[in-house]
Amino acid sequence: AAGVIQSPRHLIKEKRETATLKCYPIPRHDTVYWYQQGPGQDPQFLISFYEKMQSDKGSIPDRFSAQQFSDYHSELNMSSLELGDSALYFCASRKELGEKLFFGSGTQLSVL
Amino acid sequence: DQQVKQNSPSLSVQEGRISILNCDYTNSMFDYFLWYKKYPAEGPTFLISISSIKDKNEDGRFTVFLNKSAKHLSLHIVPSQPGDSAVYFCAASAGVTGGGNKLTFGTGTQLKVEL
Repeated sequence: AAGVIQSPRHLIKEKRETATLKCYPIPRHDTVYWYQQGPGQDPQFLISFYEKMQSDKGSIPDRFSAQQFSDYHSELNMSSLELGDSALYFCASRKELGEKLFFGSGTQLSVL
Repeated sequence: DQQVKQNSPSLSVQEGRISILNCDYTNSMFDYFLWYKKYPAEGPTFLISISSIKDKNEDGRFTVFLNKSAKHLSLHIVPSQPGDSAVYFCAASAGVTGGGNKLTFGTGTQLKVEL
């Protein structure tokens, strides 16, 4: 069965650079979530989209933005990267309200 | 403010014995609870869930118990197998009928099943 696809798997950037992370949800899933997991921490909710509209917002810095496109894939754009942005970024998708979230394998971002 | 807490960062059990992972929450609006298993450098994998209208849900070797009055849930794995060794996250969401329905995660418990 198709799973949530994230690209790239690994990304190395320098401070003040920009990064774009992509997420392709499971087919027919209409809701996408972004989570950030720092070293030794629990996943923290960043932002979610339902039917291409932002549905909820968590602890996402103003330097970050995200959107969901007409094909339901989502992109997380990160600007003015800081060392503290180094983390594992997960995308998850869900088919409809009340259903469990399926997670992608994540993008490991390292900011040097 | 940690709304979902897993007070045991690690747990070690012998193969064949029962593993019990605990989770406490503070937000009384949470009405849906899930357990995820995570290996290093991989995304969390769904294990089992429970709605607040139930106090027990069972799926094979995995059983989740919910005590709403104590705001406590636990995951029982029996018998434990070496392949169960991973980090287990408890997660909760509020308002199944609401928009967003994001998950709030606990801090995780590293389970090690020894031969």
